[in-house]
Amino acid sequence: QKEVEQNSGPLSVPEGAIASLNCTYSDRGSQSFFWYRQYSGKSPELIMSIYSNGDKEDGRFTAQLNKASQYVSLLIRDSQPSDSATYLCAVKRYGQNFVFGPGTRLSVLP
Amino acid sequence: GAGVSQSPRYKVAKRGQDVALRCDPISGHVSLFWYQQALGQGPEFLTYFQNEAQLDKSGLPSDRFFAERPEGSVSTLKIQRTQQEDSAVYLCASSLGDGTYEQYFGPGTRLTVT
Repeated sequence: QKEVEQNSGPLSVPEGAIASLNCTYSDRGSQSFFWYRQYSGKSPELIMSIYSNGDKEDGRFTAQLNKASQYVSLLIRDSQPSDSATYLCAVKRYGQNFVFGPGTRLSVLP
Repeated sequence: GAGVSQSPRYKVAKRGQDVALRCDPISGHVSLFWYQQALGQGPEFLTYFQNEAQLDKSGLPSDRFFAERPEGSVSTLKIQRTQQEDSAVYLCASSLGDGTYEQYFGPGTRLTVT
């Protein structure tokens, strides 16, 4: 079992819809979780961090964390073609050791 | 302000050559990370510095990989006797190191070993 798992996609949604991206992790002791967006040929850029169970909203983005289920998700409301990218889930393990999932490719269709 | 910068952006090395990749973190960021990203994969952790101290090098794939940050600012990742499997994008990231863990990435160095 990989430490951080994501569906590779592509996940296709129409413009204006809600995109739902999911991530599961195996280390129950993990405490800090991050979502990054990576455009093709570019480096990852931070979208959101989440540390506590529940929802965290920032503009069109909502991160959801359920530590009991070892599950993190990212919702993108009113999806735009410019949101088309690979979304990486990252989990902080011990110390400052981070593990990234393989990413989910999102395609927003105009 | 200025973000994380890396140089060179592209590097082609013949198998067996040594390479050095440079990272200049965001000013004031205490923590610095190196990652290796293969095509179609997420970044893989290589090593972590807090100021000049290398606190975690568990991700370095072999003893051919060496990283340093002698003055707690600029960092260099060195790969000796490059092999084809070293071909990847090498990403550097920095964070404040104040108990928050958000990392900010540089543009990366694409290394191709021929």
